[in-house]
Amino acid sequence: QVQLVQSGGGVVQPGGSLRLSCAASGFTFSNYGMHWVRQAPGKGLEWVAVISYDGSNTYYADSVKGRFTISRDNSKSTLYLQMNSLRDDDTAVYYCAKGGPMTVMYHFDYWGQGTLVTVSS
Amino acid sequence: DFVMTQSPDSLAVSLGERATINCKSSQSVFWSSNNKNYLAWYQQKPGQPPKLLISWASTRESGVPDRFSGSGSGTDFTLTITSLQAEDVAVYYCQRYYNFPPLTFGGGTKVEIK
Repeated sequence: QVQLVQSGGGVVQPGGSLRLSCAASGFTFSNYGMHWVRQAPGKGLEWVAVISYDGSNTYYADSVKGRFTISRDNSKSTLYLQMNSLRDDDTAVYYCAKGGPMTVMYHFDYWGQGTLVTVSS
Repeated sequence: DFVMTQSPDSLAVSLGERATINCKSSQSVFWSSNNKNYLAWYQQKPGQPPKLLISWASTRESGVPDRFSGSGSGTDFTLTITSLQAEDVAVYYCQRYYNFPPLTFGGGTKVEIK
């Protein structure tokens, strides 16, 4: 069965950095686009970034562009989100999500369990 | 940017009654090349990640009860729960996944029991 197991997260000071990981299993990871989505406390869902199945294309929300980097290691079936220059408003639960086969224009059929990132001094 | 507007923000429905949630996209999500609407619906219960209910505007995911249905095309869409059950209490989100970035979610609709 498909599993997305997230790690990383925690408390970081404003201006700091953090890296999130998402280990995938149960499907051919290298064939699927992957996304990060976040949810601030008590708020709705905000898409953060997507990476194509082969890593050749990445897209970001304007709110994180230039600060966050999405990447993947297909040999390890793992997705990453490097977050730099963190701000208070980056505080949220971050989810990885499985996208579509060979395309970024697809719904999210599986989600990770989520990991909390708290930016606070 | 593309905007997804959900209504209402919340609704309270009696057990066994119908719940209707609307979602309006600022631009069409229909792609004529494959005759598909790039619109999904998710259910999120407290403390859990979202769960995909409906894709391509009206395709119910495997294992999703048939009381959930999606309809609409172009810019206007509806999620209907025909006979609300206690386990359906959740927040529901629509999502467009056409012609992005950015990929956009609606603001969410909270469904409660009256």
